[in-house]
Amino acid sequence: QKEVEQDPGPLSVPEGAIVSLNCTYSNSAFQYFMWYRQYSRKGPELLMYTYSSGNKEDGRFTAQVDKSSKYISLFIRDSQPSDSATYLCASYTGRRALTFGSGTRLQVQP
Amino acid sequence: DAMVIQNPRYQVTQFGKPVTLSCSQTLNHNVMYWYQQKSSQAPKLLFHYYDKDFNNEADTPDNFQSRRPNTSFCFLDIRSPGLGDAAMYLCATSRDWGRGYSNQPQHFGDGTRLSIL
Repeated sequence: QKEVEQDPGPLSVPEGAIVSLNCTYSNSAFQYFMWYRQYSRKGPELLMYTYSSGNKEDGRFTAQVDKSSKYISLFIRDSQPSDSATYLCASYTGRRALTFGSGTRLQVQP
Repeated sequence: DAMVIQNPRYQVTQFGKPVTLSCSQTLNHNVMYWYQQKSSQAPKLLFHYYDKDFNNEADTPDNFQSRRPNTSFCFLDIRSPGLGDAAMYLCATSRDWGRGYSNQPQHFGDGTRLSIL
C-alpha cells in the first residue's frame, strides 16, 4: 500500500465549476500536508501548506485536512482554464523528504 | 525573485555517456533535494543534502551521484545513463531548523528533462 494515495484522474470540469481533489494517507506520523500544482514540463509549484486538521483558504483555493480519517482535500472555486494542470498532494513527517501522491490531472474546459 | 534554477532545461545524452545536471538557489536554504520524475508518476527522491551531509535513499542506483560545493549549488551526476534513466530531474530546497527537523515546505525548480539516445 502506498503511503499517500491519490486518484490519477483525469478530471474534466467546465469553467466555473467547483473542483474537489482528494488524497488519503496511511502514515500517522505525517504532520504537514501540501498541495503542489504542476504544469506540463514545469516543476511542482507550492499551492497550499497546512499543519493541523481543519481548513486553510487562499483565494479560490481551500485545503482541508482531517487527521482522524487521514484525508486531505483541495477545493478550487470558480475554476479557470488556467487551473488545468496536475495536482500533487504531499505529506511530510518533518524528518524526511516529502511523500507524494501520484497526482491528479485536471482539465478545465472553457 | 528568489528561486531554484535548474540548468539545462533539456539535456540529451548518449547511452552510457556521463551527464551532469545543475541546480542553484537564491533562497539560502540549507537542504537541497534531487528527485526523479517519470511521466505521469510522482517525484521520487534520489538523495538530499542537509548542509554538506549527503543522504542517499536506499533504492537510489549507484549510477547516480551528487555534489554540493557550496550552499547555493548542487549537481546531479549520472555516470552511465541507461534508457531507463530518461526522466525529468527536479531539484528542491527547504529550510531545516536543526537536528534534522523541518516544518518548512519544499520549493522546486522547473526541472531538467533528460533524454537518452
